[in-house]
Amino acid sequence: DAKTTQPTSMDCAEGRAANLPCNHSTISGNEYVYWYRQIHSQGPQYIIHGLKNNETNEMASLIITEDRKSSTLILPHATLRDTAVYYCIVSPTSYDKVIFGPGTSLSVIP
Amino acid sequence: KAGVTQTPRYLIKTRGQQVTLSCSPISGHRSVSWYQQTPGQGLQFLFEYFSETQRNKGNFPGRFSGRQFSNSRSEMNVSTLELGDSALYLCASSTSWGGYTFGSGTRLTVV
Repeated sequence: DAKTTQPTSMDCAEGRAANLPCNHSTISGNEYVYWYRQIHSQGPQYIIHGLKNNETNEMASLIITEDRKSSTLILPHATLRDTAVYYCIVSPTSYDKVIFGPGTSLSVIP
Repeated sequence: KAGVTQTPRYLIKTRGQQVTLSCSPISGHRSVSWYQQTPGQGLQFLFEYFSETQRNKGNFPGRFSGRQFSNSRSEMNVSTLELGDSALYLCASSTSWGGYTFGSGTRLTVV
């Protein structure tokens, strides 16, 4: 079973920040938090990952709580192209049996 | 830099037949994982290979098998196809720093 829980769906207005939450209360000390997204009929795309510090790249920011039991992926200025299913995963490294949950279906609305 | 290449992109097979799907990982990536995606079950982990060895396996019947070659290319095989095997099969390669790179997948239809 997946080690994370995410809301089933979310809406976000175009141009606004999209904040996608993820709970991973049983995360172990050596497990990273990874985020992927999947646009319809394409393979999932890696977005970002982190261990305990907040991370930022050209696509998104990842905020991990101090106790590491939850995290938030932030898309700072959502566009229609960001409409996708977003998956939050915890894993020691990518060399592992990575289990995907159902993810959050994000709809960016004009 | 070339991405993960999966062939073929589309495939139609008849029940009872077998099928082989191919995956070429990103150069330098030694780990290859396979997933099955269906509308009802989402992304299901099939297996993961590293240096020609299967290190992890999901909960699929023995009809699903795979292998990895010395150049890290991987194949998966499904024997005695069933209608329920119709799905998008995704391959992903990775390095130790983290993050999978997925291919575009092979869409298998069993009729």
